Amino acid sequence: SQKIEQNSEALNIQEGKTATLTCNYTNYSPAYLQWYRQDPGRGPVFLLLIRENEKEKRKERLKVTFDTTLKQSLFHITASQPADSATYLCALNTGGFKTIFGAGTRLFVKA
Amino acid sequence: DVKVTQSSRYLVKRTGEKVFLECVQDMDHENMFWYRQDPGLGLRLIYFSYDVKMKEKGDIPEGYSVSREKKERFSLILESASTNQTSMYLCASSSSSEQYFGPGTRLTVT
Repeated sequence: SQKIEQNSEALNIQEGKTATLTCNYTNYSPAYLQWYRQDPGRGPVFLLLIRENEKEKRKERLKVTFDTTLKQSLFHITASQPADSATYLCALNTGGFKTIFGAGTRLFVKA
Repeated sequence: DVKVTQSSRYLVKRTGEKVFLECVQDMDHENMFWYRQDPGLGLRLIYFSYDVKMKEKGDIPEGYSVSREKKERFSLILESASTNQTSMYLCASSSSSEQYFGPGTRLTVT
């Protein structure tokens, strides 16, 4: 069956360190992959999109990699801050209108 | 900035009631979506619409219907609410790839 896996355990890191979150998928051939941030009680907010022919994308302190051979995306936040604490969702689109979301990984950044 | 609004943040309904959840977007987006979000399950697509009066079933449409009479408004209808429909409901709109979400409606069915 088709599946997107994100680490269900929360990630705890110290302020200033790099946070790395993982998204693995099976049985998809995504046209592109997106990362969203979700704060408690709020809707997700779009962060980055990376296409199948791109290896890496950056935006300020954020970096996303996409390995279609490993079927994996890594999401990095460098110089993390307590304000980065949130749940981060991975989402795949295989073409068309439907986007499949992962369950998300909760990140806690300690001061 | 894109703004997606949902009619209620919190809603409590009784089993068997008909429930309407409204969503409005102000960016003239063609595509609109309804998801539900439950702990550990992520967002699951209920219905989506790619044009006025057009609708497509998502992954979990049972027990739900939708209406899109105007481009900016997409309504989710629970014909006869049941306790297993207690959830966070999120509306989103898009014109291309990234989706813009509303704040969500936390629905409790008792």
